[in-house]
Amino acid sequence: AQTVTQSQPEMSVQEAETVTLSCTYDTSENNYYLFWYKQPPSRQMILVIRQEAYKQQNATENRFSVNFQKAAKSFSLKISDSQLGDTAMYFCACLSGGSNYKLTFGKGTLLTVNP
Amino acid sequence: ETGVTQTPRHLVMGMTNKKSLKCEQHLGHNAMYWYKQSAKKPLELMFVYSLEERVENNSVPSRFSPECPNSSHLFLHLHTLQPEDSALYLCASSQDPGPGPDTQYFGPGTRLTVL
Repeated sequence: AQTVTQSQPEMSVQEAETVTLSCTYDTSENNYYLFWYKQPPSRQMILVIRQEAYKQQNATENRFSVNFQKAAKSFSLKISDSQLGDTAMYFCACLSGGSNYKLTFGKGTLLTVNP
Repeated sequence: ETGVTQTPRHLVMGMTNKKSLKCEQHLGHNAMYWYKQSAKKPLELMFVYSLEERVENNSVPSRFSPECPNSSHLFLHLHTLQPEDSALYLCASSQDPGPGPDTQYFGPGTRLTVL
């Protein structure tokens, strides 16, 4: 069984600053995929960024980037130039290569961006 | 945010009622999912359908009954629910099989309250 741990239930950051959300995971698979999803208040969960475990290069999407440390099983999300619209619950998730379906989520981190 | 739609968005029902949740995806995907999201808990995968066949059933009580008439539609039939079933029910879809596990796209959810 795989597990995903987000140790920061809540975080806050000032607008325009940078924040890093932590995530650790555990899986016995060699082939797996990691995701960060964002769920704004009362709005839809959307994909922020995705990382394939076999890729050494960290994924980036505009202001969002990850620090993927495979040996440490760590997958943190960095948000640069934080914007008010980044306020949301952020979920880290792991999908193992052994199953096309079983996406395991962490409990989430509530990020508040303050003006 | 309109790739996966869910109706109704809010539902209040008594323990003796029977109701259904509906999900529709417009992404051309062939796998669909039901998740339960409760406060302060990770998302729980309930059911998975791939090519209209159920491929995953995570020990969900029989008072939840899924139905997938085609690859674009997914239902969750509810009967004799308990107050602890109150939660946000999320639908998701993905393309399967792909070259590897593919990203799941989520609907806005149905907020269910059981009185």
